[in-house]
Amino acid sequence: QKEVEQDPGPLSVPEGAIVSLNCTYSNSAFQYFMWYRQYSRKGPELLMYTYSSGNKEDGRFTAQVDKSSKYISLFIRDSQPSDSATYLCAFYSGYSTLTFGKGTMLLVSP
Amino acid sequence: DAGITQSPRHKVTETGTPVTLRCHQTENHRYMYWYRQDPGHGLRLIHYSYGVKDTDKGEVSDGYSVSRSKTEDFLLTLESATSSQTSVYFCAISPGQGGTEAFFGQGTRLTVV
Repeated sequence: QKEVEQDPGPLSVPEGAIVSLNCTYSNSAFQYFMWYRQYSRKGPELLMYTYSSGNKEDGRFTAQVDKSSKYISLFIRDSQPSDSATYLCAFYSGYSTLTFGKGTMLLVSP
Repeated sequence: DAGITQSPRHKVTETGTPVTLRCHQTENHRYMYWYRQDPGHGLRLIHYSYGVKDTDKGEVSDGYSVSRSKTEDFLLTLESATSSQTSVYFCAISPGQGGTEAFFGQGTRLTVV
């Protein structure tokens, strides 16, 4: 079983749609959960960072963590063409280093 | 943007030659990382540093070495470049362990011919 699973997409949606991006993981030691956004030919940038289960909201973005199901989600409301990017989930157990998903490509059409 | 600069941004080199990539930061962060990103593999950690002269191997360290003689600089060396090392290389910095708030550079696109 892979440590992190993330659908590569592409996920294509019309402008204004609600987007749901997801990752599953197998390592129960993961305590910190992150989402990075990466535009084409750019470095990843940290979008959201959560610790423990529950929801965290930041503007149009909501990160959700369900540790019992080992499942994390990123929701984007009122999606914009500028949201078109690859979204990477990332995990940290409290020791060692980050573990990244392979990324989901999102395309938001005007 | 976090003060992190990678150089060069693009490089083409021949198989068997040594190559050094540089990462420079102005944030005074303790931790620095080198990743490579390849289609189908995502981001994979090559080496990281947790202080001056303190480094450790990551998931894909074979064929790579690193050095950190100053807080602000982290060098990645491909000792004898191979075509399998054609990739996009990212440096990242973070204030804390594990890179829970990692900031990435713009990347170096390396082609080995």
